[in-house]
Amino acid sequence: ETGVTQSPTHLIKTRGQQVTLRCSSQSGHNTVSWYQQALGQGPQFIFQYYREEENGRGNFPPRFSGLQFPNYSSELNVNALELDDSALYLCASSLSGAETQYFGPGTRLLVL
Amino acid sequence: GESVGLHLPTLSVQEGDNSIINCAYSNSASDYFIWYKQESGKGPQFIIDIRSNMDKRQGQRVTVLLNKTVKHLSLQIAATQPGDSAVYFCAENLLSGNTPLVFGKGTRLSVIA
Repeated sequence: ETGVTQSPTHLIKTRGQQVTLRCSSQSGHNTVSWYQQALGQGPQFIFQYYREEENGRGNFPPRFSGLQFPNYSSELNVNALELDDSALYLCASSLSGAETQYFGPGTRLLVL
Repeated sequence: GESVGLHLPTLSVQEGDNSIINCAYSNSASDYFIWYKQESGKGPQFIIDIRSNMDKRQGQRVTVLLNKTVKHLSLQIAATQPGDSAVYFCAENLLSGNTPLVFGKGTRLSVIA
């Protein structure tokens, strides 16, 4: 176990709705990165938060947004859900300046 | 496009044999590489990492080899066990810190009992 937790584990939404996913980082880690993993693919970087600020963003539209809180936990928000947003959403935590990212179990999102 | 890829999408090995999973990377600036194991329905699990100033690193039953000349990475698993069945991803990164991991598509390892 990595100590990284995510909630909920599974979620079903309909197209156009909004969703919030949550992640608690490993104790002592101040950086959280979010990834989207489509079925049969490797994880794709969405964005990263370091000390409550966005610190890099991948090729995802603005309807994907996030937050990091003072305790370094994080949220991923997706507005105007589309069918293609169906995926496993992973968060990973790491120490500032460290390379090794430790992943949580993910949230499986299904958009109908 | 992705800068990290894998040569084989699937690999089947007999229990007790050694497994070798390969990975090619294209970004010559990458200086840190990680292998992750992902079991069905779970998040990626860190296995082993290697920095570009090394060409080999060993862990428990696993060895990672890095060939910077041809930009190739491999994961060797000794005495493969049924519990090793999973999808294995290599990922690359830069040691400047707080940079995103770039993953390949993964190799599915199936262990035949």
